[in-house]
Amino acid sequence: AQTVTQSQPEMSVQEAETVTLSCTYDTSESDYYLFWYKQPPSRQMILVIRQEAYKQQNATENRFSVNFQKAAKSFSLKISDSQLGDAAMYFCAYSLGTGANSKLTFGKGITLSVRP
Amino acid sequence: DAGVTQSPTHLIKTRGQQVTLRCSPKSGHDTVSWYQQALGQGPQFIFQYYEEEERQRGNFPDRFSGHQFPNYSSELNVNALLLGDSALYLCASSLGDYDTDTQYFGPGTRLTVL
Repeated sequence: AQTVTQSQPEMSVQEAETVTLSCTYDTSESDYYLFWYKQPPSRQMILVIRQEAYKQQNATENRFSVNFQKAAKSFSLKISDSQLGDAAMYFCAYSLGTGANSKLTFGKGITLSVRP
Repeated sequence: DAGVTQSPTHLIKTRGQQVTLRCSPKSGHDTVSWYQQALGQGPQFIFQYYEEEERQRGNFPDRFSGHQFPNYSSELNVNALLLGDSALYLCASSLGDYDTDTQYFGPGTRLTVL
């Protein structure tokens, strides 16, 4: 079974600084998808970024980028120029792909606070 | 473009009762997945509906059942409620067997079992 591990329960960053959130996963598959979701206090789970395992290039979305290390099964999220609105719980998630393989397996999450 | 909607927002029930939660997928989506998120934890997959059938199921007892309607909306039913069923229930929609693997989430229903 696939597992996702987020070992840091909490992190804090100064506004405008950069922070990296860690995630490791375990799978025997070669093709899969990885995601970072953000869940603010409003509870709405928002997709931040996705990575397809067959792509070597790391995904980026504006201030958000990932460091995907397939051999190490590591998938970290870097947030640049942190903003107060980035404060939320962040979840790393894994899926095998589309259709019947699309169920998400989540880590326990990490609470990110942003200091003004 | 309407996103994923869920109702009700909050719900309080007592042990042994039954509850029904509802979800309308994002416009154009035909697949609905349900997740249970206990306080301070990541969401756990309950089941997924596609073409009005349960396509896959997580490790949840038969007390958890669902349904998908022809308009792709979905219901989650939980029978014989236990205290441990208290959680945030999230619905996510996606587009069937096509390219996208990305699931879009609703705001959730907070269920409290007393």
